[in-house]
Amino acid sequence: DVKVTQSSRYLVKRTGEKVFLECVQDMDHENMFWYRQDPGLGLRLIYFSYDVKMKEKGDIPEGYSVSREKKERFSLILESASTNQTSMYLCASSLGQGTDTQYFGPGTRLTVL
Amino acid sequence: KQEVTQIPAALSVPEGENLVLNCSFTDSAIYNLQWFRQDPGKGLTSLLLIQSSQREQTSGRLNASLDKSSGRSTLYIAASQPGDSATYLCAVRPNYQLIWGAGTKLIIKP
Repeated sequence: DVKVTQSSRYLVKRTGEKVFLECVQDMDHENMFWYRQDPGLGLRLIYFSYDVKMKEKGDIPEGYSVSREKKERFSLILESASTNQTSMYLCASSLGQGTDTQYFGPGTRLTVL
Repeated sequence: KQEVTQIPAALSVPEGENLVLNCSFTDSAIYNLQWFRQDPGKGLTSLLLIQSSQREQTSGRLNASLDKSSGRSTLYIAASQPGDSATYLCAVRPNYQLIWGAGTKLIIKP
């Protein structure tokens, strides 16, 4: 089975802090994704990566950056956390063959005070 | 711009009933449509994936249909059980990314 893990289940940070969210997948998947999920809005794509060191902006990249130095690891960085970034963050990976499904980690619930 | 809508936002039914969850999308140019399940505080689990050339997919008590021309998909759950309680999300794939509905929160009452 594909396993996608995220470094923290719950995180509380203060406004202005730099925040790192880590995601690791163990199935040699090409694609990795970062979403945020807010009530009533569904999932919104922040960034995705289709290869090591490659990244593409999603629908809401502002205030975020990403890093993919190794194939199995995809990091989301909040350069200066703000209260409107309080949300559930979900990482996903997929094999990368066009029409395949995505496999999700358990999520990180981030609260910015 | 593709938009995905799921109605109702919440549904509560007695155990044992058959039920249908609805998903509609505005642009029929999609590669596939997927249904996911999300349990409280957890990530998402893929339930069914329907390719654009297919009309339906089945897995156990679940059956998903796709009508691209009308921009609709349904997820049919037979003989519902309390363990089916979760939020169900649908997502369409028009290109490299998925476009998501907001989900239907399903509660099955024992």
